[in-house]
Amino acid sequence: DAKTTQPTSMDCAEGRAANLPCNHSTISGNEYVYWYRQIHSQGPQYIIHGLKNNETNEMASLIITEDRKSSTLILPHATLRDTAVYYCIVRVRETSGSRLTFGEGTQLTVNP
Amino acid sequence: DGGITQSPKYLFRKEGQNVTLSCEQNLNHDAMYWYRQDPGQGLRLIYYSQIVNDFQKGDIAEGYSVSREKKESFPLTVTSAQKNPTAFYLCASTRDRGSEQYFGPGTRLTVT
Repeated sequence: DAKTTQPTSMDCAEGRAANLPCNHSTISGNEYVYWYRQIHSQGPQYIIHGLKNNETNEMASLIITEDRKSSTLILPHATLRDTAVYYCIVRVRETSGSRLTFGEGTQLTVNP
Repeated sequence: DGGITQSPKYLFRKEGQNVTLSCEQNLNHDAMYWYRQDPGQGLRLIYYSQIVNDFQKGDIAEGYSVSREKKESFPLTVTSAQKNPTAFYLCASTRDRGSEQYFGPGTRLTVT
């Protein structure tokens, strides 16, 4: 699975959009981009995933660049409850074991 | 409600004792996983199972053992051979190999 690079930490004001970047310059054509988040001392929560088109669901939007070497997770109206560590993961969707390789993620702090 | 349960939330053991962590899911998912998380780190895969009565080692299986006798249950035993067992342990499951993973709330194990 391709390696990802994320900033260690970010801050965002409550009610504003939070834009979390992720670099995955060695991504292969069949690798998807997944985002999870982990609120302190809880299990990670799936947010969204995509291959090359932009994706949106009730939690967030995922913007993937045309060359697929980077992506941005957007939380459109951040709340205090969005404070968490956000993990960007790239993997082949149909691999045996469906294993996820977690890096250290980005600590997002939403401030009142 | 469907989900993954892990018990207990906190577990304390003396060094040299084996301890078994429980993971149960009622999502009818085929695949289940155990991860370990150390402070400030991402998750590392210990073991995974794609089907009943079958499981594979992950990246850090030494000192751990698992069983998968039932689809709903995937207990993890931390043996005395695990040199640094104190950590946060997370169980996850997926419907099939390509789906996103759902995580339990975790068990925090402290060995003294």
